[in-house]
Amino acid sequence: GAVVSQHPSWVICKSGTSVKIECRSLDFQATTMFWYRQFPKQSLMLMATSNEGSKATYEQGVEKDKFLINHASLTLSTLTVTSAHPEDSSFYICSANRDGFSYEQYFGPGTRLTVT
Amino acid sequence: QKEVEQDPGPLSVPEGAIVSLNCTYSNSAFQYFMWYRQYSRKGPELLMYTYSSGNKEDGRFTAQVDKSSKYISLFIRDSQPSDSATYLCAMSIQDNDMRFGAGTRLTVKP
Repeated sequence: GAVVSQHPSWVICKSGTSVKIECRSLDFQATTMFWYRQFPKQSLMLMATSNEGSKATYEQGVEKDKFLINHASLTLSTLTVTSAHPEDSSFYICSANRDGFSYEQYFGPGTRLTVT
Repeated sequence: QKEVEQDPGPLSVPEGAIVSLNCTYSNSAFQYFMWYRQYSRKGPELLMYTYSSGNKEDGRFTAQVDKSSKYISLFIRDSQPSDSATYLCAMSIQDNDMRFGAGTRLTVKP
């Protein structure tokens, strides 16, 4: 149990376009979902925390108008990278919190975004 | 100074060796400590978690937390090639504020 999926697993887009990444909890309801980005050989950096039905809480330095997060249901959160630039190329990983404790985060497989 | 420091390695050991992975941290308020394993191009998976100080054992894995030294460790006994992955330490003060180390790349050679 506790499976989290992400779609797409990889995407290539042109500079200036927008890309939407979906994160789904397949067999449990996720009251909280997290979005991270990870550069090669670096740690996961928390971008934002989203709770179902409310606005996401963004970490300092993360542009909320560029990285739009929607947590429309207890099983789905989306991250939209708007007006993507090459420096947005990264590995984006979501996780879902089932029981209200951050250590019980279940991670998705990640989405590799390449902006050309 | 980073909140969580972890040597990125890489670390290479022969099969059967005992592996020791470590992290130090600066914020004494951290009280939940986790170890995640991440295979290449995959999301992390939770291996162990410990609340406050002490040891926790699960099969070949042992997690230790020394809050007085702000130091945590993960030991892997009888390491296997399938243990080859990046190991990330993580810690949090309370819910929803997890901070990760940079991850240590481990290779276990047959």
